[in-house]
Amino acid sequence: DGGITQSPKYLFRKEGQNVTLSCEQNLNHDAMYWYRQDPGQGLRLIYYSQIVNDFQKGDIAEGYSVSREKKESFPLTVTSAQKNPTAFYLCASSAGTGVGQPQHFGDGTRLSIL
Amino acid sequence: AQTVTQSQPEMSVQEAETVTLSCTYDTSESDYYLFWYKQPPSRQMILVIRQEAYKQQNATENRFSVNFQKAAKSFSLKISDSQLGDAAMYFCAYRRGGGGADGLTFGKGTHLIIQP
Repeated sequence: DGGITQSPKYLFRKEGQNVTLSCEQNLNHDAMYWYRQDPGQGLRLIYYSQIVNDFQKGDIAEGYSVSREKKESFPLTVTSAQKNPTAFYLCASSAGTGVGQPQHFGDGTRLSIL
Repeated sequence: AQTVTQSQPEMSVQEAETVTLSCTYDTSESDYYLFWYKQPPSRQMILVIRQEAYKQQNATENRFSVNFQKAAKSFSLKISDSQLGDAAMYFCAYRRGGGGADGLTFGKGTHLIIQP
C-alpha cells in the first residue's frame, strides 16, 4: 500500500545533540512537508520541498535543517540550536505542485528531551 | 500573513445529532483552498473535506458538509448523524492559490466529543 512512513515513532534527544527524523513516501508525490505540533496548538510549517534538491523555509525553520536528495525521502534534522524541540512532528506529501492537491500525512514522530 | 481561527476549543454532541464547527480566516488573497482535517487519538491527520475558494457551491462528503462564506471569510464544518468514530480533534486549514507548493496554515483545533 502506498503511504508515508515516519521513523522512529519516539525519539529522545540529549542536550546539545542533533537528531534526524526520517520521512519516506512511496506515493510518487513531488512535494513534501514537515510540520511541528505542540499541545493545544495546530500544526506549524517547518520546511517544505517542491522538487528534489530544492526546499524552502516555513514559519518556524530556525533550529531545523532538511535535505531532499531523493524524491521519496525528506529527512528533518533537529539541531542543538533548537532550544525547545519537544513536540510531535508530522511529515506530509502532496501530488504535483497544484495547491488544491490535499496533503497526506505520516503517523508522526514524538521527540522528547532527556 | 494568513491566519486561521477556530473559536471553539471543545464541542460536545449527542450521538446521531448534528454539530457545526466554526472556522474563520484572514487573507488578502482571492485564490485559495480550505480544508478540514481530523486527528483522532492515534494522532494521524485525515483529510475530511476540501473547498476551492473560486467555487460557490459548498463541498459535501457523505455526512460532512461545509458552509463557505467567502465574503465573511468563514468556513464551518457540519457533521450530520454524529457517530462515536467522529470523536477527534478537527483542524481547519488554509492554503493560498497560485503556483508553488506552499504548506498549510492551521487553526488551533476543536476537540469534538461524541456523547453516546
